[in-house]
Amino acid sequence: DAKTTQPNSMESNEEEPVHLPCNHSTISGTDYIHWYRQLPSQGPEYVIHGLTSNVNNRMASLAIAEDRKSSTLILHRATLRDAAVYYCILRDRNGGSQGNLIFGKGTKLSVKP
Amino acid sequence: DAGVIQSPRHEVTEMGQEVTLRCKPISGHDYLFWYRQTMMRGLELLIYFNNNVPIDDSGMPEDRFSAKMPNASFSTLKIQPSEPRDSAVYFCASSLGLAGGFTDTQYFGPGTRLTVL
Repeated sequence: DAKTTQPNSMESNEEEPVHLPCNHSTISGTDYIHWYRQLPSQGPEYVIHGLTSNVNNRMASLAIAEDRKSSTLILHRATLRDAAVYYCILRDRNGGSQGNLIFGKGTKLSVKP
Repeated sequence: DAGVIQSPRHEVTEMGQEVTLRCKPISGHDYLFWYRQTMMRGLELLIYFNNNVPIDDSGMPEDRFSAKMPNASFSTLKIQPSEPRDSAVYFCASSLGLAGGFTDTQYFGPGTRLTVL
């Protein structure tokens, strides 16, 4: 079972910031928070991951709540190419089956021109 | 690097036929994963390999499914005999294995869309 909760869908306007929320109230101390996205007719691709501190990369930013029970993926300026399903996934850094990528339903992001 | 390569990209077959899906992982990656995606069940892990050895096949739906990795650059997923409910998109992914493979970034191929009539 996926250990995260995400909205089914969100809409954004092109060139505006997008905040994609994820709740993970049962997160353990050894769980990393990973985000992948799947563009239409493509395989999933890695976006970003973090443990406790906020993280930035060229694709996005990840804001992690102080209690780690929720996180937000931030796309600073949405483009049409960012329209995809975004998956928030917990992965245990100790490995085993809890380290596998377990995909939930994700959030389908639509971007309007 | 060309990324993870899968073939064929599309496969249409009739019920009862044998289907073989192929995957070439990124060179140097120690882990290889097979996933299946359907509308009903979403993306689910079928099996994964570490250094060509199958580690966990608990996601393989039934004995009709088998996977092999004869060398570091090639893997197959075979369905024999195929059934209409096997229709799905099958993805192959690979990862480096620096952190034991479990939290490493996985790189996915473009998928094979299988239709069983």
